[in-house]
Amino acid sequence: GAGVSQSPSNKVTEKGKDVELRCDPISGHTALYWYRQSLGQGLEFLIYFQGNSAPDKSGLPSDRFSAERTGGSVSTLTIQRTQQEDSAVYLCASSFRGLAAYEQYFGPGTRLTVT
Amino acid sequence: AQSVTQLDSHVSVSEGTPVLLRCNYSSSYSPSLFWYVQHPNKGLQLLLKYTSAATLVKGINGFEAEFKKSETSFHLTKPSAHMSDAAEYFCVVSGMGGSYIPTFGRGTSLIVHP
Repeated sequence: GAGVSQSPSNKVTEKGKDVELRCDPISGHTALYWYRQSLGQGLEFLIYFQGNSAPDKSGLPSDRFSAERTGGSVSTLTIQRTQQEDSAVYLCASSFRGLAAYEQYFGPGTRLTVT
Repeated sequence: AQSVTQLDSHVSVSEGTPVLLRCNYSSSYSPSLFWYVQHPNKGLQLLLKYTSAATLVKGINGFEAEFKKSETSFHLTKPSAHMSDAAEYFCVVSGMGGSYIPTFGRGTSLIVHP
């Protein structure tokens, strides 16, 4: 079946512009996660959605970052007034349930470059 | 708080020799543990997972890991490295302290020499 998809695969934007990154999780997966991976670094947790519960936003680095998930499916990560330090690969993952035992399925990522 | 430590940032092996990637976690009880692999410019793929069943877990591509509670370790091994194993490997822990947000190690880069 279809895996997690992300769009666009690459995004180049000018400093100060807003960007939207999209994630389509696997159908039926109730948990959705966003991560940021900077060059040569591990994964930095950004935000977690589980069903209809309020999202866990504890990883968002600043109020320029926000995310929403519509209808329990597609999610959009928005970065306002982008800065050069926002350049990274943004990974989305979904999981059957937001429980410890369930593995995550990752999308291919969106590479964001802020010039 | 949960944490995971990958003891080596880089591991270099020759093709055909064994692979050992080390991972330790902090916990007072059994969490769920995972290993993921990331090939260049790709997303992460699950290699194997431990969720309180058998302590020796077999995964894809000949990898396996052993959960050792007394040592709080979950090291990843493979008897014979292949060139295609060259990638970044992440150890992940989930479920400690009721948290369903996985904690990722910083990654180990596996280099395989011909």
